[in-house]
Amino acid sequence: KAGVTQTPRYLIKTRGQQVTLSCSPISGHRSVSWYQQTPGQGLQFLFEYFSETQRNKGNFPGRFSGRQFSNSRSEMNVSTLELGDSALYLCASSLALAGGFSYNEQFFGPGTRLTVL
Amino acid sequence: GQQVMQIPQYQHVQEGEDFTTYCNSSTTLSNIQWYKQRPGGHPVFLIQLVKSGEVKKQKRLTFQFGEAKKNSSLHITATQTTDVGTYFCAGPVVNRDDKIIFGKGTRLHILP
Repeated sequence: KAGVTQTPRYLIKTRGQQVTLSCSPISGHRSVSWYQQTPGQGLQFLFEYFSETQRNKGNFPGRFSGRQFSNSRSEMNVSTLELGDSALYLCASSLALAGGFSYNEQFFGPGTRLTVL
Repeated sequence: GQQVMQIPQYQHVQEGEDFTTYCNSSTTLSNIQWYKQRPGGHPVFLIQLVKSGEVKKQKRLTFQFGEAKKNSSLHITATQTTDVGTYFCAGPVVNRDDKIIFGKGTRLHILP
C-alpha cells in the first residue's frame, strides 16, 4: 500500500507571497491532518479534515487554511507569507476509527520544506 | 494551557547503553502515542497506550503509561545505531475539540 505523499518536497518563496501544499493520504484513509515542524516549536497541529470538512483546528492565524477533496486529497494554503513560516509542513492520514482523531495512529508523509526569504 | 513536556531534550549514549525519555502532561491524558523521527525523515508511529499503568514492549523498547495517566516513558535497552533519532510523545487536548499536542521530543545520539 502506497504511503502518504506530499508535493512539492521543497519550496522557496518570498515574504508576502502565498503557497499551496498538497497531500495525498493512504488509500482508504479519510482523515488528513497538517502539522508545522520547526526546531524551536517542534511539531504543532494546524488542522484536521474528514470527509471534506474541517473538524479540528490548532492555534494558527487565519493565513493558514486548508481543504479536502472528495477523494480525501488535501491542500494547505498559506497566504501573505512571513519569514517565521519557514518550516517543514507535514501531512498525516489516519483511518479515523471510533474514538476520535486523537485516538488514531497517524501516518506521516515526507513533508514539504518551505523556505521564506 | 495544556502542555506536554518531554525530558531530556538531548541524550548521548554509548552504543549498548540503555536510554529513557520521559513525557509529562499538565492534565490527564485519555491516551498517549509515541513516534520516532529519523534525521531527515518524518515521524513514524511506534505505539499507543490507553490504560492506566499500561506497559507494552516492542523488542528492546518498553513503553509505560503512568497510573494517573499524566506521564509516560519510553525505555530502550542496549541501544543500537539504528535507534538514532528523535522520539516524540503525543496526547489529545482535553476539551470538546479533538486535537493532538506533541512533546518537543528527545533527540538520541549514539556514540560508537
